[in-house]
Amino acid sequence: DARVTQTPRHKVTEMGQEVTMRCQPILGHNTVFWYRQTMMQGLELLAYFRNRAPLDDSGMPKDRFSAEMPDATLATLKIQPSEPRDSAVYFCASGSDRGSDTQYFGPGTRLTVL
Amino acid sequence: RKEVEQDPGPFNVPEGATVAFNCTYSNSASQSFFWYRQDCRKEPKLLMSVYSSGNEDGRFTAQLNRASQYISLLIRDSKLSDSATYLCVVTPLNAGNNRKLIWGLGTSLAVNP
Repeated sequence: DARVTQTPRHKVTEMGQEVTMRCQPILGHNTVFWYRQTMMQGLELLAYFRNRAPLDDSGMPKDRFSAEMPDATLATLKIQPSEPRDSAVYFCASGSDRGSDTQYFGPGTRLTVL
Repeated sequence: RKEVEQDPGPFNVPEGATVAFNCTYSNSASQSFFWYRQDCRKEPKLLMSVYSSGNEDGRFTAQLNRASQYISLLIRDSKLSDSATYLCVVTPLNAGNNRKLIWGLGTSLAVNP
């Protein structure tokens, strides 16, 4: 049963620390999305990759957030320095542009910045 | 105005009830439509796609009204396990090979015994 995996599942850190979240998309998928979810804002798209190339990162605060895909099996989202307002659940999703627009989500990383 | 709008609820219904959710979208050129389900503290999962002709999957029926720019989800004979947040999702026409989805904030459903 193919799934998107994310690590860590939970992260508690102090303001100013660097946070790195990792995602392994479903094998064969060529699109990867990073979302942030809060109660107030719902799901916000932070970054979107297709064939490992960044296509849209307009939703991401550029000064502190960065997203990369070093290879087809790994996507990373980094926050440096972290701030309390970054506390949220961060989801990674993958899909294929050769089929439907269905996105398959990982279990998320629940981030708390103190 | 948000691109995709949903009534946040919560909808509280007894088991066996029929409940309907609506979702409106602002981009008349939107191409694809979906309902996702998200359980508490879990990730969103695709519930069903919404086709122009409408589609049904068991107790769930989805319909699209392009003229009025809304999508609906009908749940018949609701079960306790249907309690979740239902997210309306739209893909803009100009997405092309860009599979960016536009998400509503979700409608919360609680089915009570």
